[in-house]
Amino acid sequence: SQQGEEDPQALSIQEGENATMNCSYKTSINNLQWYRQNSGRGLVHLILIRSNEREKHSGRLRVTLDTSKKSSSLLITASRAADTASYFCAQINTNAGKSTFGDGTTLTVKP
Amino acid sequence: GAGVSQSPSNKVTEKGKDVELRCDPISGHTALYWYRQSLGQGLEFLIYFQGNSAPDKSGLPSDRFSAERTGGSVSTLTIQRTQQEDSAVYLCASSFRAGTNTGELFFGEGSRLTVL
Repeated sequence: SQQGEEDPQALSIQEGENATMNCSYKTSINNLQWYRQNSGRGLVHLILIRSNEREKHSGRLRVTLDTSKKSSSLLITASRAADTASYFCAQINTNAGKSTFGDGTTLTVKP
Repeated sequence: GAGVSQSPSNKVTEKGKDVELRCDPISGHTALYWYRQSLGQGLEFLIYFQGNSAPDKSGLPSDRFSAERTGGSVSTLTIQRTQQEDSAVYLCASSFRAGTNTGELFFGEGSRLTVL
């Protein structure tokens, strides 16, 4: 990818299990965002975490940020079949105006 | 409109033809972004606008690609002499502002371009 990487590339779990996706980046950031994309659709914003924050929660989502390791993780708890989608992290760099996206993790939640 | 609107949603063209893709951002959003997404891949940054100016054009793949934004609103991405490798979904997004305080990006549904 242009800026960072997500892993795993693909994740398949059973409904009710937790899903964890990781994102690494290369340059200093102001904030990091996670987005979701259903097949054939645009991206939808899920959560934003600022560089001075370490953890953030929103419903069943939990995001962590480790600026020393230049990494972030997205945890979806008690997954549902409707969570099946691709998930992307986006980095907002300190010296650039653009938002740079990773290659995404494709999550499949089996009912 | 309520969201980011892109047109056409689907475009099939012959190699060598020019195409124009349009993006109508959310009213009041000063920043506008174009990305390209190939099948099953991540988003490739192309260009962003702050108002009518484009501070960063670094992602445009070649001089066949150009974009403009007028009146701080609608943007057009033009691809001249299309090639088969240009086939992809072109996504547009807008936000209140670009720069280091960029918040949430709002995406359109994309324009799927197929070059035969």
